[in-house]
Amino acid sequence: GDSVTQMEGPVTLSEEACLTINCTYTATGYPSLFWYVQYPGEGLQLLLKATKADDKGSNKGFEATYRKETTSFHLEKGSVQVSDSAVYFCALRNQGGKLIFGQGTELSVKP
Amino acid sequence: DAGVIQSPRHEVTEMGQEVTLRCKPISGHDYLFWYRQTMMRGLELLIYFNNNVPIDDSGMPEDRFSAKMPNASFSTLKIQPSEPRDSAVYFCASSLGRDSNSPLHFGNGTRLTVT
Repeated sequence: GDSVTQMEGPVTLSEEACLTINCTYTATGYPSLFWYVQYPGEGLQLLLKATKADDKGSNKGFEATYRKETTSFHLEKGSVQVSDSAVYFCALRNQGGKLIFGQGTELSVKP
Repeated sequence: DAGVIQSPRHEVTEMGQEVTLRCKPISGHDYLFWYRQTMMRGLELLIYFNNNVPIDDSGMPEDRFSAKMPNASFSTLKIQPSEPRDSAVYFCASSLGRDSNSPLHFGNGTRLTVT
């Protein structure tokens, strides 16, 4: 079945460091790909999305490119801030409408 | 728009009791999802509806769990009888359309503790 695999956390970085969180997927057909972010005590919020191969999603300095050849959708940010500390979820939505999440990666940014 | 509204925010109950979680999706959205989040298993999709009809309930753990959507603006997830291993945060989410690029909008969740 369809699935999403993320790099394990927690990831701890200093402020202004570069961030990469790896995400790979397995799916039939042509899913759309998403990154969601969850701040402590809150629900998930959409961070960015990409709907077809080679699309780049971006928001708040975060970027991810839909790579069909490597079935990947890695999340990147050039300079993280303390306020970026959260749990990040990679997800795919298949053509049946089902949204499947990876296991989440906790990011902690220290001043 | 008020977003997806879940109630209650917190629920503490004793083993064996019935628990009902409630969700009001965003007006006009035709897909509704129930997820469970735990440290051990992460986010698990329990069931989802389209136009009030259950489409896939393969994630519902066992017969103690049931979900209904009597109309487009309301859904419930019921656990009867509840057990300590049901303790988790339960999220409801809604989206517009089946198009695979439609994002889900999540509520703030119900934190359930079964003692």
